[in-house]
Amino acid sequence: EAQVVASGGGLVQPGGSLRLSCATSGFTFSRYWMHWVRQTPEKGLVWVARINIEGSDTSYEESVKGRFTISRDNAKSTLYLEMNSLRAEDTAVYYCASLTTPAILGGQGTVVTVSS
Amino acid sequence: IVMTQTPVSSLVTLGQPASISCRSSHSLLHRDGNTYLSWLQQRPGQPPRLLIYKTSYRFSGVPDRFSGSGAGTNFTLKISRVEAEDVGVYYCMQTTRLYTFGQGTRLEIK
Repeated sequence: EAQVVASGGGLVQPGGSLRLSCATSGFTFSRYWMHWVRQTPEKGLVWVARINIEGSDTSYEESVKGRFTISRDNAKSTLYLEMNSLRAEDTAVYYCASLTTPAILGGQGTVVTVSS
Repeated sequence: IVMTQTPVSSLVTLGQPASISCRSSHSLLHRDGNTYLSWLQQRPGQPPRLLIYKTSYRFSGVPDRFSGSGAGTNFTLKISRVEAEDVGVYYCMQTTRLYTFGQGTRLEIK
């Protein structure tokens, strides 16, 4: 069974940084495009970033462009999200997933809280 | 692409059917001939999980009381007989052009 588990969240001040990780198992990580999705009560589920198989092509939701960087280590089957210049509106539960069809979802997310 | 779900919430009697609609602002028919519309279920306190993909394909392990249908811009998730474990929020998700989600439909039991 495919599993994805995000970690690395926490409380950070506005302007600060965090690095999220996503450990995966049960599927051939190196064959899947991977994504980060976040969820808040106000906005619901929102796609944040995606990366191709080789890690050479990335795409971001407009509000995080230039601040967030998605990356991957295929040897470790691990996905990352480097988050800089964090804002209060980045507060959310962050999930990693593969949104290629059928999607790989269902792993526990990690909570990021941006507050002073 | 904007995804709009109706209703926002649904109160259903155990054993009765339930239906959720999802409308997209643009056709979800991809140039490869597939329609990349999925349905997700999020039980209270749990992460979202996949129920249906490509409009009508049930994901592994999903009970056959769940079914999906639709085409173009109009899609439906149906639960033939609601059970207590079906309580939660249901989301449609399109992955034809980038990735967007509906706002969710909360299913509760009467």
